[in-house]
Amino acid sequence: SQKIEQNSEALNIQEGKTATLTCNYTNYSPAYLQWYRQDPGRGPVFLLLIRENEKEKRKERLKVTFDTTLKQSLFHITASQPADSATYLCALVAGTGRRALTFGSGTRLQVQP
Amino acid sequence: GAGVSQSPSNKVTEKGKDVELRCDPISGHTALYWYRQSLGQGLEFLIYFQGNSAPDKSGLPSDRFSAERTGGSVSTLTIQRTQQEDSAVYLCASSPTGGATNEKLFFGSGTQLSVL
Repeated sequence: SQKIEQNSEALNIQEGKTATLTCNYTNYSPAYLQWYRQDPGRGPVFLLLIRENEKEKRKERLKVTFDTTLKQSLFHITASQPADSATYLCALVAGTGRRALTFGSGTRLQVQP
Repeated sequence: GAGVSQSPSNKVTEKGKDVELRCDPISGHTALYWYRQSLGQGLEFLIYFQGNSAPDKSGLPSDRFSAERTGGSVSTLTIQRTQQEDSAVYLCASSPTGGATNEKLFFGSGTQLSVL
């Protein structure tokens, strides 16, 4: 079955640095991969989508890469701010004919002022 | 409405009781999803509705769980004979069509269910 792995340990970085989060998947080649942000007590909020034929996608201070050979996506936040502190989840559609997104367990990012 | 609305926001129940959780999706969205999130865990898919198609129930953990969607809009997730392991946040999401793998989901804030 499809497995999505994100680092379960929290990532602590200093304000202004670049945060890099990893998402690895197995057993399937998704056409798209999505990233969401989740704050405590709230539902996830969509951030970015990247297609399999795109190597990189940017949105303001966010950058996502997608390596279909390594089966990995990297999520970068440049010039990080304390307000970026949250849990970040990657998600993809696993399997053919099934449309519900499968989510990774998320990585908690803590940006220290 | 402006966003996905879930009610109640919190529900405390006793083991063995039945509970109903409600989700109002974004108006016009034909796809609706239920997920469950246990403390410190990722999202676990439960069930997916798309238009008039038969729902994808492959994620329901047991026959105590069921869901329906009336009139293609509001959905109710029912848990019968609740157990302590059912304690979690139940999240509902909707998307415009659910027919494309690139479609983003819009989530509600969830219902925190606590089974004593």
